[in-house]
Parts: sequence; structure tokens; C-alpha cells
Amino acid sequence: IAGITQAPTSQILAAGRRMTLRCTQDMRHNAMYWYRQDLGLGLRLIHYSNTAGTTGKGEVPDGYSVSRANTDDFPLTLASAVPSQTSVYFCASSEGRAPQELFFGEGSRLTVL
Amino acid sequence: GQNIDQPTEMTATEGAIVQINCTYQTSGFNGLFWYQQHAGEAPTFLSYNVLDGLEEKGRFSSFLSRSKGYSYLLLKELQMKDSASYLCAVADSNYQLIWGAGTKLIIKP
Repeated sequence: IAGITQAPTSQILAAGRRMTLRCTQDMRHNAMYWYRQDLGLGLRLIHYSNTAGTTGKGEVPDGYSVSRANTDDFPLTLASAVPSQTSVYFCASSEGRAPQELFFGEGSRLTVL
Repeated sequence: GQNIDQPTEMTATEGAIVQINCTYQTSGFNGLFWYQQHAGEAPTFLSYNVLDGLEEKGRFSSFLSRSKGYSYLLLKELQMKDSASYLCAVADSNYQLIWGAGTKLIIKP
């Protein structure tokens, strides 16, 4: 069972470039989330989706967009990357809406130069 | 504002017991989670408390006092593999998770 798969694992990106982080889950979970994790800070929610076809903004949504065309996929797009978006990005899912156990992907380490 | 406080780092000895504290101030409360995160890996779920008291799960126990805005994670019979960061998170009135910065636990032989 794969759980949640994220790609790429790691990426170095020039500022101003567009980048999409992919996230796929095979658990048929309704809710999905994108977090960023920075040293010394707690996980911060970027965007979420409670069910396919719906999305919502989290704590730090600026500069990011998401889509949820189906249950399994939840890509995160940086339209024009900036150095402050250098971070580790985690995709997560839960069976239903919070508060429920989150299942995390292995993370995508993004460096914007 | 909403705030979760945890110690930044703790050190303990293999075989011993360690208690990691978490205090919170949030707009509403819909439960408190503990996650474990090994370096370079994804967080994994440890426990969820929504009522006051102690919940035991093997070597790990989690305690909650809602009136004090306080929780702790108790790890017994520490093993080297317990070296990790431990993340406290609270679900607020909107069911959004507010995360602490995590406590890095270092286990020494």
C-alpha cells in the first residue's frame, strides 16, 4: 500500500519559475492538505480540500494554488516561485474532515534561488 | 492569537522516562494530537486526546487537561529509535490544526 506519494522528492528552482508539486493518495480519503514546514516553526497549512471538487485557503495561501479534480490527486502550484517559498512541503490526507488522524507523504524539499 | 508552546529540545537516557509538555492557547478546542517525526521523514500519528485524562498506548501515554490548556506525552523505556521530533497540534473551533514547532528528543546511550 503506497498511501500518499509526493513528487518530486527534491527540486532546485530559479526564482520566477512555475512549479507544480504532485500528490496522489490511494486510500480514498476525502480530505487532503498541503503544509509547509520551516525550521523553528510549526507546520503551516497552505490549502486544503474537504472533498473532490472543493478547495479552501489555509494559513499561508499567498503564492500558491491547488486543484482537486478527483479524490486521489491534489497538486500544489507555485505560479512564480520566490526564495521565501524555500521549504519542505508535505501533502497529507484524512478520511474525513478534521479532527482526524492525518497521513503524510514523504515530503518535497524545494529550494528557490 | 493562537499559540502552541513546546520545549525546543530535550535529552534523555536510553531506558529512562521522559515527559514532553505542550501548552496551548487557541480559539476553541476540538482535540489535541501528538505526532512523531524522524529527521528527514514525514510526521506519523501517535495519539489524540479530546477529554481530560491519560491515554496509554504501549510505551507512550498522552495526558490532557483542558482547563489548564496543557498536555504531555510520556515516553517510557526509551529506545534509541525514539530519537525524533514530537509535534503537538490542537484543533481549534474551526477544526483547523494549529501546530507547535516540535520538541527534538535526543536519546543518549
